[in-house]
Amino acid sequence: GAVVSQHPSWVICKSGTSVKIECRSLDFQATTMFWYRQFPKQSLMLMATSNEGSKATYEQGVEKDKFLINHASLTLSTLTVTSAHPEDSSFYICSARDPKGSSNQPQHFGDGTRLSIL
Amino acid sequence: ELKVEQNPLFLSMQEGKNYTIYCNYSTTSDRLYWYRQDPGKSLESLFVLLSNGAVKQEGRLMASLDTKARLSTLHITAAVHDLSATYFCAVNPTGTASKLTFGTGTRLQVTL
Repeated sequence: GAVVSQHPSWVICKSGTSVKIECRSLDFQATTMFWYRQFPKQSLMLMATSNEGSKATYEQGVEKDKFLINHASLTLSTLTVTSAHPEDSSFYICSARDPKGSSNQPQHFGDGTRLSIL
Repeated sequence: ELKVEQNPLFLSMQEGKNYTIYCNYSTTSDRLYWYRQDPGKSLESLFVLLSNGAVKQEGRLMASLDTKARLSTLHITAAVHDLSATYFCAVNPTGTASKLTFGTGTRLQVTL
């Protein structure tokens, strides 16, 4: 089945640093990838939709300059949290859409990245 | 604004009991999905409901969809401890390709 790999799975860093998270589709080409953020005991909130070769579409309230998304190839999207602060600590999950897949699986989810900013 | 609400938010139940989780959504959608999330983990797909009246069953879980009422249910039969997790429904609004909006989540705790 379709596999999405997310890396790293856990990162701890100091306040003010930038952190990059990678999302790869391993056995299919993903023209569209999605980035979600999940705070403890809360639901998944869509941050942005990443389209290969074009600018990402951000959801209302998500800072474009803080959460940089790059989808340079059909199998890789990256999310960079710039100048991260403790309030950015969260669980970030990516997903990818397989355009040749069925509607049974609109998105294939990565394993998530736990980001802790000290 | 699309709202997807689940009820209850938290459920503690004894093994062997039955219960139903409800998912209400506020916009037109022909597709609804149920996911399971274990602590610290990502999402596991449980059910895909693609039409009005759809019913799917897997083990002790059964999901149904009523698109006219904009309601989906996840019924748990004779709960076991291994079912303890957080359950999310997600809606794919009509005309939004594969974009998903997730429900508030229901944290299920099955006690011995």
